[in-house]
Amino acid sequence: GAVVSQHPSWVICKSGTSVKIECRSLDFQATTMFWYRQFPKQSLMLMATSNEGSKATYEQGVEKDKFLINHASLTLSTLTVTSAHPEDSSFYICSAIRTGPNSPLHFGNGTRLTVT
Amino acid sequence: GQQLNQSPQSMFIQEGEDVSMNCTSSSIFNTWLWYKQDPGEGPVLLIALYKAGELTSNGRLTAQFGITRKDSFLNISASIPSDVGIYFCAGQLRENSGGSNYKLTFGKGTLLTVNP
Repeated sequence: GAVVSQHPSWVICKSGTSVKIECRSLDFQATTMFWYRQFPKQSLMLMATSNEGSKATYEQGVEKDKFLINHASLTLSTLTVTSAHPEDSSFYICSAIRTGPNSPLHFGNGTRLTVT
Repeated sequence: GQQLNQSPQSMFIQEGEDVSMNCTSSSIFNTWLWYKQDPGEGPVLLIALYKAGELTSNGRLTAQFGITRKDSFLNISASIPSDVGIYFCAGQLRENSGGSNYKLTFGKGTLLTVNP
């Protein structure tokens, strides 16, 4: 069964509004979660590393003020797309890793964001 | 960011045929992972490789971690229609310090089409 839950699975919003996406680790604690973005027919591109209890680490070229990440607990990270624009429309996917050796990353089912 | 060279980009095969795809990198990884992604969903882990030279099977799937730690291959035997999807390799540096070292670098994917 799924070990990472992502919500919502799809969302449509108007330009200028903000959208929050949740990522939860199920039955395990994740001190580190990752947020990826995927355009059609392309690979996953890492946006940021979400660290529980501290600030997220953003990849080069990702605006931290636009993509707000909050990792308030060991099982929940949120990504908020602020003042969304049509070019923010994409497939956003989170992943979480169990603490410990040889634990692979598990992914959520993704969130399809469409900004009109 | 860094990307892996994954090939082939796409494959069209007949049901029952075997499939092979591979990934190469200019730098070493400590972990290689293979994922499958269906349309509109997040990647699902197929096989995880943690040791250079390791050969691991999961049903009809077999993957190997190259000795140089710069490459990996995935084989699918006796393909079936439900094998259709995009297959991604991913490399992970993964050190004991954790955090951002757990992040994945993805290949561009191999689109597999299986004709019944």
